[in-house]
Amino acid sequence: NAGVMQNPRHLVRRRGQEARLRCSPMKGHSHVYWYRQLPEEGLKFMVYLQKENIIDESGMPKERFSAEFPKEGPSILRIQQVVRGDSAAYFCASSPQAVAGVGETQYFGPGTRLLVL
Amino acid sequence: AQTVTQSQPEMSVQEAETVTLSCTYDTSENNYYLFWYKQPPSRQMILVIRQEAYKQQNATENRFSVNFQKAAKSFSLKISDSQLGDTAMYFCAFMKHSDNYGQNFVFGPGTRLSVLP
Repeated sequence: NAGVMQNPRHLVRRRGQEARLRCSPMKGHSHVYWYRQLPEEGLKFMVYLQKENIIDESGMPKERFSAEFPKEGPSILRIQQVVRGDSAAYFCASSPQAVAGVGETQYFGPGTRLLVL
Repeated sequence: AQTVTQSQPEMSVQEAETVTLSCTYDTSENNYYLFWYKQPPSRQMILVIRQEAYKQQNATENRFSVNFQKAAKSFSLKISDSQLGDTAMYFCAFMKHSDNYGQNFVFGPGTRLSVLP
């Protein structure tokens, strides 16, 4: 069973361009979480999605950032008109169907390192 | 809102010795889960150990054990017989319990551990 896949692993963009980060969860996992890690900091929650639904986007910046998890295909984190402050590592994690009473362990992908020039 | 604090930005330990990493958290929840994740230079997030708040017994995984003090909201990680491969960033994380949906992690800022030969 392949782990969580993220691509690209490294992405370089110039200010004003768009960045698209992809995440394929583990097989059988229907919950996807995106986290951002700024240099020398811990991971910060951005958004939580199930198939075709955004469950919690309380950590997403109000502008330029969006996320989706379509019925078919990977989850996409999209950053429009990138700025230097968007440079960070973006991690995706997935978990299986939530089971009541259990703190589901999330399985992390290797991350995408975004560099904005 | 929950917060997680790790008061030791950096620590070092001699190979084969024991080291304890501190973590405190703030929450009004009664039912939750606590985790320690390791992030080596590869940046991959690796689960080290987890603890259910309703369990009084401290979790143990081989050389890794925790000291969970619920009243004090403290969750320290003890690494015994430290190995060079333990060199990494260590993140303490909190997750609320939910009966319905998955929950995101709240991470601390991390402790950089160096194991010295």
